Amino acid sequence: GENVEQHPSTLSVQEGDSAVIKCTYSDSASNYFPWYKQELGKRPQLIIDIRSNVGEKKDQRIAVTLNKTAKHFSLHITETQPEDSAVYFCAASSSNYQLIWGAGTKLIIKP
Amino acid sequence: DAGITQSPRHKVTETGTPVTLRCHQTENHRYMYWYRQDPGHGLRLIHYSYGVKDTDKGEVSDGYSVSRSKTEDFLLTLESATSSQTSVYFCAISAQSMSSYNEQFFGPGTRLTVL
Repeated sequence: GENVEQHPSTLSVQEGDSAVIKCTYSDSASNYFPWYKQELGKRPQLIIDIRSNVGEKKDQRIAVTLNKTAKHFSLHITETQPEDSAVYFCAASSSNYQLIWGAGTKLIIKP
Repeated sequence: DAGITQSPRHKVTETGTPVTLRCHQTENHRYMYWYRQDPGHGLRLIHYSYGVKDTDKGEVSDGYSVSRSKTEDFLLTLESATSSQTSVYFCAISAQSMSSYNEQFFGPGTRLTVL
């Protein structure tokens, strides 16, 4: 069936460095790829998304890239800050109005 | 946050009792979803609704039922709660249409403990 693989499961970076989280998807018909951030004890919140007709999208310190041929997309966070510490989820749209979710990446920002 | 509320926010119940969780939205979005979140499993879809009285199963629907009699309310019922259903439950809504995209917005969650 459809699935999304997300790596790494845990990522620890020094404050100020960059962080990259990668996802691969199986359904070639997927056309929408959101990223969510979930802080401890809070709800997942949409931070950035990309449509299949776009290769890259930026919003201040975060960016997402999409490679449709290889069926993978990535989240890039530059100049990381303590408030970036959270669990990040990627997802891909499926044909029946659902999102197929990655397992999550715990991002730890070391001071 | 989008106009989504969940009730109750916390519940402790005993094995074998029925439990109903409520999701209420003020956005008039067509699609509503129930997820559960457990450590090491991310977000898993239980059931979803694509309109009033229109629902379908997700990947972990066993032991759960849903109802949607109004656009704004989506109820999740655990018919006979078990300890394996101890989890955090999130409701989500989406305004997607046949040709648009599936931006989902989440409610605050309900922490359910089954003893």
